[in-house]
Amino acid sequence: AQSVTQLDSQVPVFEEAPVELRCNYSSSVSVYLFWYVQYPNQGLQLLLKYLSGSTLVKGINGFEAEFNKSQTSFHLRKPSVHISDTAEYFCAVIPTGGFKTIFGAGTRLFVKA
Amino acid sequence: SQTIHQWPATLVQPVGSPLSLECTVEGTSNPNLYWYRQAAGRGLQLLFYSVGIGQISSEVPQNLSASRPQDRQFILSSKKLLLSDSGFYLCAWSGASTDTQYFGPGTRLTVL
Repeated sequence: AQSVTQLDSQVPVFEEAPVELRCNYSSSVSVYLFWYVQYPNQGLQLLLKYLSGSTLVKGINGFEAEFNKSQTSFHLRKPSVHISDTAEYFCAVIPTGGFKTIFGAGTRLFVKA
Repeated sequence: SQTIHQWPATLVQPVGSPLSLECTVEGTSNPNLYWYRQAAGRGLQLLFYSVGIGQISSEVPQNLSASRPQDRQFILSSKKLLLSDSGFYLCAWSGASTDTQYFGPGTRLTVL
């Protein structure tokens, strides 16, 4: 079975500051890793994903994440956040070839002016 | 390109009333389809998924049911709503590669 732990439920940060949202996972099989973003009262959108290859993955809106197999982590980073980045961010995994995505509980990013 | 629709966008229903939420996908064939519920301040709970017409897998036993009458149509139903059914319901689809999920805009259900 797989599980995903997002270590921070809320992250307040000032505009133009860097941010890191932490995600750790547990799995006995190989997995694909994802970050999704959810703006208020909307569905989730894919931010970025790691399937294979380079462990540094770049996504939309200037976000990037690094897969660390030894630490089973997939932390999300952005060097300078904007007010518009205020949203909830979900880390997720799916076993390779599987049907069911396992989501973390979410991290609410709040960007202050 | 592919699009996913959900309706209604919002719904207020009394306890004990029936429910029908609809999800349709355009621009793809034989998608995998999913229903999730997101309760206030909580993560996503997978309710049902379907890999083909008439094939429904239930993840959480409760008073909800799902049906897939057509390839790109997924319906979430209940005969009698409970207060605990309130939440934000999201439909999603994935393709043959099954990795990435694409979400609809959601339905906000309030049971009073």
